[in-house]
Amino acid sequence: NAGVTQTPKFRILKIGQSMTLQCTQDMNHNYMYWYRQDPGMGLKLIYYSVGAGITDKGEVPNGYNVSRSTTEDFPLRLELAAPSQTSVYFCASSSLTGIGTQYFGPGTRLLVL
Amino acid sequence: AQKVTQAQTEISVVEKEDVTLDCVYETRDTTYYLFWYKQPPSGELVFLIRRNSFDEQNEISGRYSWNFQKSTSSFNFTITASQVVDSAVYFCALSENYRGGATNKLIFGTGTLLAVQP
Repeated sequence: NAGVTQTPKFRILKIGQSMTLQCTQDMNHNYMYWYRQDPGMGLKLIYYSVGAGITDKGEVPNGYNVSRSTTEDFPLRLELAAPSQTSVYFCASSSLTGIGTQYFGPGTRLLVL
Repeated sequence: AQKVTQAQTEISVVEKEDVTLDCVYETRDTTYYLFWYKQPPSGELVFLIRRNSFDEQNEISGRYSWNFQKSTSSFNFTITASQVVDSAVYFCALSENYRGGATNKLIFGTGTLLAVQP
């Protein structure tokens, strides 16, 4: 099993550009999450999903959108990138039975210039 | 409100020293879960342990041990005989509650950077 995979690993965007961060898990987990991690800070939840077709906002959703059309995939869309979105983005997943135990992808480092 | 506090921002030790990372949490709920994650310099987040609020037994896994004390709302992590490979940021997390039940959402502390010098 690959676990949680994320692409790309690193990306530079210009202000105003858009992009989609991809996340795929092969563990058949119902729950999926997107976090951002700023230098010296903990993880802040952007969006999460409890299953295909169901998504909800986390702590810092502004400037982002998500969709969940399949159990495996949970892409994060950045519209009109801003320098404040420079961060490391982590995708995670967890099962119904493993309360809270989230398994993380390797992260995507995004630089907005 | 639920909260996780890791007051130690950075800790530096010399190899083979023991080190304890502190985690204090706040919750009004009786059922909750606590976690520790490790983030090595390579950047990935690695799950270390999960404990539920009804199990206060200390846990030991090799050089790692965890001390859970509900009386002080703490879930501390000790590394015995530290090694350079233990250098990482360590995060403590608490399961968020919704209407009295633990959910799959986590509340993370801000992390403790552990530097183990050779």
